Amino acid sequence: QKEVEQDPGPLSVPEGAIVSLNCTYSNSAFQYFMWYRQYSRKGPELLMYTYSSGNKEDGRFTAQVDKSSKYISLFIRDSQPSDSATYLCAMSSYGQNFVFGPGTRLSVLP
Amino acid sequence: DAMVIQNPRYQVTQFGKPVTLSCSQTLNHNVMYWYQQKSSQAPKLLFHYYDKDFNNEADTPDNFQSRRPNTSFCFLDIRSPGLGDAAMYLCATKIWQGETQYFGPGTRLLVL
Repeated sequence: QKEVEQDPGPLSVPEGAIVSLNCTYSNSAFQYFMWYRQYSRKGPELLMYTYSSGNKEDGRFTAQVDKSSKYISLFIRDSQPSDSATYLCAMSSYGQNFVFGPGTRLSVLP
Repeated sequence: DAMVIQNPRYQVTQFGKPVTLSCSQTLNHNVMYWYQQKSSQAPKLLFHYYDKDFNNEADTPDNFQSRRPNTSFCFLDIRSPGLGDAAMYLCATKIWQGETQYFGPGTRLLVL
């Protein structure tokens, strides 16, 4: 079993849809959870960062962490064509063992 | 603006011809990373530095080497690039006890 799993997509949605992106993981030591957005041929850009379980909201983006299920989610409300990118989850435990998921490719169609 | 800068953005080299990629940062972070990312894959960690303390991942090929002459700069040397080394190379930084890594724009390497 891979340490972090993520549906690679591609995921295509119409503009304005609510998008749900998810990762599962196996290492219960992970405490910090991040979502990165990566546009084609660019470096990953940090979107959201959460510690332990709970929700965090930033504009149209909401990150959720459920440590009991080892499951994290990123929701995008009112999706826009400019949200089309690959979304990578990442997680770490107290500065150690930083692991990326393989990424989900999202296309938001106008 | 504080940032991570990578040069060049695109690099074309010939099979077997050494190449050096550079990374600089104005964030004053003491941890720096080099990743290799192939198409539709997650970034794969090659090396990282805690200050000048070098850490090599077990599966990083000997063909790859790195130098960090000071806090701001880090270099990735590929001694004899093969066709399989064509990829995006990403530099990232973080503070010592921080959790989040900050990435540069990447250098796309093409091997002919």
